[in-house]
Amino acid sequence: EIVMTQSPATLSVSPGERATLSCRASQSVSDKLAWYQQKPGQAPRLLIYGASTRATGIPVRFSGSGFATEFTLNISSLQSEDFVVYHCQQYNQRPPTFGQGTKLEIK
Amino acid sequence: EAELVESGGGLAQPGGSLRLSCAASGFTFSIYALSWVRQAPGKGLEWVAVISGNGETTYYADYVKGRFTISRDNSKNTVYVQLNSLRAEDTAVYYCAIGSSVGWFDPWGQGTLVTVSS
Repeated sequence: EIVMTQSPATLSVSPGERATLSCRASQSVSDKLAWYQQKPGQAPRLLIYGASTRATGIPVRFSGSGFATEFTLNISSLQSEDFVVYHCQQYNQRPPTFGQGTKLEIK
Repeated sequence: EAELVESGGGLAQPGGSLRLSCAASGFTFSIYALSWVRQAPGKGLEWVAVISGNGETTYYADYVKGRFTISRDNSKNTVYVQLNSLRAEDTAVYYCAIGSSVGWFDPWGQGTLVTVSS
């Protein structure tokens, strides 16, 4: 199976600044990459699919990029509600696999 | 708007069984694949199983193959997963979500907690 590795495990950024989260695949997944946001005690919410397409209702401050094995989620102008956990997921090959998550915390 | 509501979680003994349900509303249930994804306490997400819209095709993660069975009743807009031969490492919140094993998952239900302990 494809192993997804997210870095860093915890990212400290100040409100209003920009956060850059990374996700690496153990082999190419083309653009079959999704990002999810998970707030404490809640289910994940889809942010990005196709590596760069925002899901319905997702603010424009969330953007995704990358291809093959290297992917990035950028969150500009961080707001208080953005300081939660983010997961990446590949769906190029069965089984779909997730990274271990990045926790975004307030600096 | 699509909504998924899981139920059936609880405490089970090692070797025991549980059946989880996921009731769906707000979309044409029978044309969508549904998956179960789990999250152990403080851990990441793990895909468990998927069933096609007509229920004819299923796939499982290797670590649940032979122990878990996914099914659906399109007349009741409900998907199920039967958990047998439970192990401590199966302790997790189990989510159902719209999505196949070669796609993204959206939306997700709120999850139901399964605890395997003696």
